[in-house]
Amino acid sequence: GDSVTQMEGPVTLSEEACLTINCTYTATGYPSLFWYVQYPGEGLQLLLKATKADDKGSNKGFEATYRKETTSFHLEKGSVQVSDSAVYFCALTVYTPLVFGKGTRLSVIA
Amino acid sequence: ETGVTQSPTHLIKTRGQQVTLRCSSQSGHNTVSWYQQALGQGPQFIFQYYREEENGRGNFPPRFSGLQFPNYSSELNVNALELDDSALYLCASSAGGPHDTGELFFGEGSRLTVL
Repeated sequence: GDSVTQMEGPVTLSEEACLTINCTYTATGYPSLFWYVQYPGEGLQLLLKATKADDKGSNKGFEATYRKETTSFHLEKGSVQVSDSAVYFCALTVYTPLVFGKGTRLSVIA
Repeated sequence: ETGVTQSPTHLIKTRGQQVTLRCSSQSGHNTVSWYQQALGQGPQFIFQYYREEENGRGNFPPRFSGLQFPNYSSELNVNALELDDSALYLCASSAGGPHDTGELFFGEGSRLTVL
């Protein structure tokens, strides 16, 4: 079945450091790919998405590019802030409900 | 426009009991999905409702059941609670129908503890 594999956390970074969270997927068909973020005490929020190969999703300084050849959708940010501390989930859908990875906890320290 | 709201936010039950969790969808959304998020895990799909009919189900036993009402609010019922049912239960709504790949809007969840 469809699945998503994320790098395990937690990830701890200093403010202004570069972030990469790896995500690879397995899917039958052509999935749409998503990154969701869960801030402490809040529900999941869509961060960005890409619906076809080579699309780049971006939001709030975060970017991810849909790489069909490597079945990857890595999340990147050039300079993280304390406010980016949260759990990040990679997810996919192929006309099915969302399939999530296990999540990666990011802690950014000042 | 209000977002997705869930109730209760926290509850504690004992093994064998039954629980009902409630969700009010975002205005105008006709599709609701429920997910179970165990501690340290990603959300797992339980089922989806579209226009009051179940429209897809994940790998959960029949003691997990649901309802969607004409106003698109929804309930998740779990019978014969087990310790492993302890989790955060998330409700998500969307406007594009069951096969739309657009954004899901999540509530903050109901945290269930089974003792």
